[in-house]
Amino acid sequence: KNEVEQSPQNLTAQEGEFITINCSYSVGISALHWLQQHPGGGIVSLFMLSSGKKKHGRLIATINIQEKHSSLHITASHPRDSAVYICAVKQGAQKLVFGQGTRLTINP
Amino acid sequence: DAGVIQSPRHEVTEMGQEVTLRCKPISGHNSLFWYRQTMMRGLELLIYFNNNVPIDDSGMPEDRFSAKMPNASFSTLKIQPSEPRDSAVYFCASTPGPAYTEAFFGQGTRLTVV
Repeated sequence: KNEVEQSPQNLTAQEGEFITINCSYSVGISALHWLQQHPGGGIVSLFMLSSGKKKHGRLIATINIQEKHSSLHITASHPRDSAVYICAVKQGAQKLVFGQGTRLTINP
Repeated sequence: DAGVIQSPRHEVTEMGQEVTLRCKPISGHNSLFWYRQTMMRGLELLIYFNNNVPIDDSGMPEDRFSAKMPNASFSTLKIQPSEPRDSAVYFCASTPGPAYTEAFFGQGTRLTVV
């Protein structure tokens, strides 16, 4: 069993829909990251969370430390949100362990 | 700042050849990470450095892989000899230091070993 599990693996939705991507982990962590990987391959950090909730534009990330679970939400989704979203947990000071990613496709 | 710069962007080589991947971190960043991404295993940490010193190389798959950071502005990942199963995208990332809130990734090097 992977230490970091994401669901769903693939998600297709229509423009404007509310999107939720989930991440569960089974190890102790110091923080959790959400990353975005565009079709061109580049990876961008979206959020780092150690508790509670963060919001940036149409993106919202939450984490429940007791339940070892995090969610990434996208409101009013747009085709440009189409990408792979990767959850990564920080173990110790610096080491990141990654989920397998969720491939999101937003159709116009 | 131009961000983390990796070279080459694409590399095709024959099995048995030596491959060297290069990374220039963001100026002022003290931590550098090498990751490998494959379809089967996703992203995996290979090795990371703090202040040019290797801290954790437990992710380096075999002795064929080696990484160096001779100074704060340059790192290399070498595979010798290369094998087809080494085909992957290799990412370099840098952070300001150990207590980072955001990692900055390079564009990656797509390696194909035939």
